Amino acid sequence: EAQVTQNPRYLITVTGKKLTVTCSQNMNHEYMSWYRQDPGLGLRQIYYSMNVEVTDKGDVPEGYKVSRKEKRNFPLILESPSPNQTSLYFCASSLRPTGLSSYEQYFGPGTRLTVT
Amino acid sequence: DQQVKQNSPSLSVQEGRISILNCDYTNSMFDYFLWYKKYPAEGPTFLISISSIKDKNEDGRFTVFLNKSAKHLSLHIVPSQPGDSAVYFCAASPIGGSNYKLTFGKGTLLTVNP
Repeated sequence: EAQVTQNPRYLITVTGKKLTVTCSQNMNHEYMSWYRQDPGLGLRQIYYSMNVEVTDKGDVPEGYKVSRKEKRNFPLILESPSPNQTSLYFCASSLRPTGLSSYEQYFGPGTRLTVT
Repeated sequence: DQQVKQNSPSLSVQEGRISILNCDYTNSMFDYFLWYKKYPAEGPTFLISISSIKDKNEDGRFTVFLNKSAKHLSLHIVPSQPGDSAVYFCAASPIGGSNYKLTFGKGTLLTVNP
């Protein structure tokens, strides 16, 4: 089954304790991205990756890191989490867009993070 | 500056009737538009898309209409079913480019009453 998986689904942590949220896709997609969803703000992009070893900032990258060492995985790293990073996080993937076409992004089930 | 706007936070319709969800955008670089459906505790699920070279795309009960001059698109669901009750997000992006970023609206909660 084609899917995007995220782990953990729920996480409660304390300020400053480093954490990693994993994301994996089995569709051989080049493009992967992280979004956060907050009440009243919709979904906002954190980081994206167009291919292995190619990553760049989205709209709200502060406090986050990513890496793309393998095509299927795109972990989100919070080196020193703070309460304002309490949010619902989604990983997404798609085929790489070209100058002529775009493709729908497939989303993971989400990770609800609470930082106290 | 909100580039994709869904001005109705919620919509309630009767089963069997038409549901119309609206979306406006301001960025004239957008030329690919999508609708996603989201149930609680799940990720957004792709529903239907349309590129700017078309003004209508249909898939079963779902039809998306695009009015480029008005920078407006709408999603029609006919007939509406209780299982359609979910949050619907409108999203937009430019075709191609260095970042295939989807810019999302804030969503509309659709409730279909039996």
